[in-house]
Amino acid sequence: GAVVSQHPSRVICKSGTSVKIECRSLDFQATTMFWYRQFPKKSLMLMATSNEGSKATYEQGVEKDKFLINHASLTLSTLTVTSAHPEDSSFYICSATQGRGSGAFFGQGTRLTVV
Amino acid sequence: GESVGLHLPTLSVQEGDNSIINCAYSNSASDYFIWYKQESGKGPQFIIDIRSNMDKRQGQRVTVLLNKTVKHLSLQIAATQPGDSAVYFCAENNNAGNMLTFGGGTRLMVKP
Repeated sequence: GAVVSQHPSRVICKSGTSVKIECRSLDFQATTMFWYRQFPKKSLMLMATSNEGSKATYEQGVEKDKFLINHASLTLSTLTVTSAHPEDSSFYICSATQGRGSGAFFGQGTRLTVV
Repeated sequence: GESVGLHLPTLSVQEGDNSIINCAYSNSASDYFIWYKQESGKGPQFIIDIRSNMDKRQGQRVTVLLNKTVKHLSLQIAATQPGDSAVYFCAENNNAGNMLTFGGGTRLMVKP
């Protein structure tokens, strides 16, 4: 199956700093990428949807200035958590899809801990 | 801050038994469905998919059943093994767009 690589898998940062998470589709061109957040033992929560070359669409309640998403190419999307705080600590997961009627493939996830 | 997101229901089965995980979807326009498996600390993995022109599809030890009349999807795992312990999510893709909508997920626990 298609491969989506997410990096880093784990990051610890100080409160107030910014963290960038990368999501790459390795063997296909991803027209759309999705970013999710997941709390322990809870379901995936969609944060935003990004299409290559256009602004991301954020879900209600997600601060777009806090979670900056850039989808500069068909194989790369980045999520930057700006001025991170301990409550931003979570598991962040990206997924990518080739288009309508196709499935989405997920990255390995990034465990962010803000101290 | 307070954790958000749906709390996951749990299905507990004995090793060797068959497991059935259910999912209801709401959009009658959905035409493509996927089951994912998520192990602790990892991203979801694709297990099996089915399109709306089918009502059953079989993989290795897994079968997906689709009932469009009642908008219900199920995943059957034969001879459940400890390695099957994970959270299972269903997802639907409607033909109006490119969005995958996820169900809340079910945690499968396999007892030895």
